[in-house]
Amino acid sequence: DQQVKQNSPSLSVQEGRISILNCDYTNSMFDYFLWYKKYPAEGPTFLISISSIKDKNEDGRFTVFLNKSAKHLSLHIVPSQPGDSAVYFCAASELNNNDMRFGAGTRLTVKP
Amino acid sequence: DSGVTQTPKHLITATGQRVTLRCSPRSGDLSVYWYQQSLDQGLQFLIQYYNGEERAKGNILERFSAQQFPDLHSELNLSSLELGDSALYFCASSPRGEGTEAFFGQGTRLTVV
Repeated sequence: DQQVKQNSPSLSVQEGRISILNCDYTNSMFDYFLWYKKYPAEGPTFLISISSIKDKNEDGRFTVFLNKSAKHLSLHIVPSQPGDSAVYFCAASELNNNDMRFGAGTRLTVKP
Repeated sequence: DSGVTQTPKHLITATGQRVTLRCSPRSGDLSVYWYQQSLDQGLQFLIQYYNGEERAKGNILERFSAQQFPDLHSELNLSSLELGDSALYFCASSPRGEGTEAFFGQGTRLTVV
């Protein structure tokens, strides 16, 4: 069962513009959400997270928004840079549980 | 460098064989997760151990098993291998396993021929 969904397999944006990556989840028990970035031939690396008590978390060019009623979160990257080109995975977990669930990933390409 | 070490980096084996993948978590991390990524697909959660005990199970086949040892390293055993088992297998660790961020190793690429 796909409890975390990233419906866009790929996204292409121009350098300097905003990249918006979306993620939907079905399990209302999830209360902690994360974004990971993955380059080819490397393991995923943690990017940013948000707990369900917040609706926004910002870290430099990266902002994650959480809409609990819609069971939706998004990652905004502003401004996008060519080095941001990677696969981005959304993940969700329950704070007192341990099986972090991942989406299928979205491949972001930032064109110079 | 995430601090999570996976060996081997690459493994080629024949159908029907058995292999063992090894993971050393970051120093002090008690929780180890195993994930499978097939053909550019998403990360599929397989299993998680916390301080030596199985904590959560995902889409892990019966032909696969794992364990975490007293020194906290973990092994994923894959047996009766099939062509479809070819994938990247990632190990991740986290400090307490309470939904905080996990740190991933570089993965083991398994090719079954």
